[in-house]
Amino acid sequence: DSGVTQTPKHLITATGQRVTLRCSPRSGDLSVYWYQQSLDQGLQFLIQYYNGEERAKGNILERFSAQQFPDLHSELNLSSLELGDSALYFCASSVDPVGISGNTIYFGEGSWLTVV
Amino acid sequence: LAKTTQPISMDSYEGQEVNITCSHNNIATNDYITWYQQFPSQGPRFIIQGYKTKVTNEVASLFIPADRKSSTLSLPRVSLSDTAVYYCLVGVIGNTPLVFGKGTRLSVIA
Repeated sequence: DSGVTQTPKHLITATGQRVTLRCSPRSGDLSVYWYQQSLDQGLQFLIQYYNGEERAKGNILERFSAQQFPDLHSELNLSSLELGDSALYFCASSVDPVGISGNTIYFGEGSWLTVV
Repeated sequence: LAKTTQPISMDSYEGQEVNITCSHNNIATNDYITWYQQFPSQGPRFIIQGYKTKVTNEVASLFIPADRKSSTLSLPRVSLSDTAVYYCLVGVIGNTPLVFGKGTRLSVIA
């Protein structure tokens, strides 16, 4: 158990709908990352938040958005869903004190999204 | 983040030692080398991290030559349960987003 909690574990929804994925980072971790992994695809970095603020943005679609709340949990919002959005969405967290190297990130078990 | 190159796939028999090499020619002075393991439908799991020379833990060893332009993950006496994808990442985690490559798909055969 990595200590990163993601809900829901599985989600089936129709095209055009909107869903919210939730992530609770490990206790004490300030950074939250979101990744998408489609079937037979690698892990695609979507976005990173640090202590409530967006820190880095990857290949995140405009239909997708995220935020990190004061209690450090994060939500990934996916709207106008398309069949191609079906994937495993991972959240990860790290302590990430600025300027300290040798850090690592810990992944949750993911949220399976199926768009039908 | 430094670009990494690793073999797409490897096969091994149970009980053998497996070495997976990762090339990272443009590694920066502050970069660490980190390896992750991912089983199907699970989140990547941290295996080992190092900066230089050799690091060993209860799961694996990581060998890093003096020029740090490559690294080798060594898995001693693999079992069927070691079948997974192994990712090599280079960078300062937290300061830059972690970009995963395709990884190395290790298949352990009985």
